[in-house]
Amino acid sequence: NAGVTQTPKFRVLKTGQSMTLLCAQDMNHEYMYWYRQDPGMGLRLIHYSVGEGTTAKGEVPDGYNVSRLKKQNFLLGLESAAPSQTSVYFCASSYLSVTVNTEAFFGQGTRLTVV
Amino acid sequence: KQEVTQIPAALSVPEGENLVLNCSFTDSAIYNLQWFRQDPGKGLTSLLLIQSSQREQTSGRLNASLDKSSGRSTLYIAASQPGDSATYLCAVGRGNTPLVFGKGTRLSVIA
Repeated sequence: NAGVTQTPKFRVLKTGQSMTLLCAQDMNHEYMYWYRQDPGMGLRLIHYSVGEGTTAKGEVPDGYNVSRLKKQNFLLGLESAAPSQTSVYFCASSYLSVTVNTEAFFGQGTRLTVV
Repeated sequence: KQEVTQIPAALSVPEGENLVLNCSFTDSAIYNLQWFRQDPGKGLTSLLLIQSSQREQTSGRLNASLDKSSGRSTLYIAASQPGDSATYLCAVGRGNTPLVFGKGTRLSVIA
């Protein structure tokens, strides 16, 4: 009954370092996405995936890369971290339908600080 | 481009009061609308999902309504309790595109 699990929960990076955030879901959802949440900005979509092997850019994709090699996992990479990437990152998943979305489930978030 | 607005940004009410949170969206061609709750430092918990063919959904003391033609949804919380204090977010979905979120309403219920 895990749902959506994000790893790690907290991380501090130095400017220029790289890291990968892992999102795993056990609901056999096709759809997975990464959002970032900043004070006053709300949730903004970084990248998303509509199935294994597919990825697409969202509203704020610059500085991030993603991969969906397995249906249950969606990885978010920061190639060279910048202080502007200090944020809380949320992963979510849902079934995909061309007519009707279903309920989206969110992970507990990763709090990233870049110093 | 879809835009979602939530008013007010913050709300403080005494315990026991009934209250309404508002959500509006600019593009009425949506397939569903979802209300979430977020506690400080936590993730998002889904409260209610309304399909575009529905007008409302109820769960316990919560009732969400949807008026697609006017681009509005409301979340009604009956007999509010201090445990209801949280940020409430609405999001709209359309087929194979991701959810678009409002910035949320921060609710404080005072005992």
